[in-house]
Amino acid sequence: DIQLTQSPSFLSASVGDRVTITCRASQGINNYLAWYQQKAGKAPKLLIHTASILQTGVPSRFSGSGSETEFTLTITSLQPEDFATYYCQQRNLYPVTFGPGTKVEIK
Amino acid sequence: EVQLAESGGGLVQPGGCLRLSCAASGFSFSSNWMSWVRQAPGKGLEWVASIKYDGSVIHYLDSVKGRFTISRDNAKNSLYLQMNSLRADDTALYYCAKLLGTVTTYDSWGQGTLVTVSS
Repeated sequence: DIQLTQSPSFLSASVGDRVTITCRASQGINNYLAWYQQKAGKAPKLLIHTASILQTGVPSRFSGSGSETEFTLTITSLQPEDFATYYCQQRNLYPVTFGPGTKVEIK
Repeated sequence: EVQLAESGGGLVQPGGCLRLSCAASGFSFSSNWMSWVRQAPGKGLEWVASIKYDGSVIHYLDSVKGRFTISRDNAKNSLYLQMNSLRADDTALYYCAKLLGTVTTYDSWGQGTLVTVSS
């Protein structure tokens, strides 16, 4: 199975900060990576797919990059509604796997 | 608007069974792959199973193979997960999720149905 790790696992930041989350895969996954945002008590929301394609309706302050084994999610100017947990997910091979999550909290 | 509504969760004893349902609307259900994804309390997301739009291709997480069965009824716009031989580590919120076209990425999710396996 392809293992995904995320760093950091926890991040404390202020409104307006630039935030970067990294996802690393245990083997190359081309660009078959997605990012989701999950707020407490809510279902996940797709932000980015295929490493860098912004899902319709997602603000442009979110961006993704990377390929093969290293990927990043960047939020250019953190907004109050962005405080949440973020997960990466690979679809290169079954089983589909998710990273353990990065919780972004208010400093 | 895409809507996915799960039901069928509850408290069940170890070794018991449950059948989850997901009612879909707002999109062409019969043209879309669908999946179940679960989340144990306070934990991360875990893919469980996926089914092709016509039911001809199915994938399972190894730990549920032989115990869980994913199925669909396109005439009823419904997805199902039959769960047998339930274990404590199956306790989770089970989400129904729609794939983004043929890409195994989930662009729509239900609100989930909670399955608790405990004696």
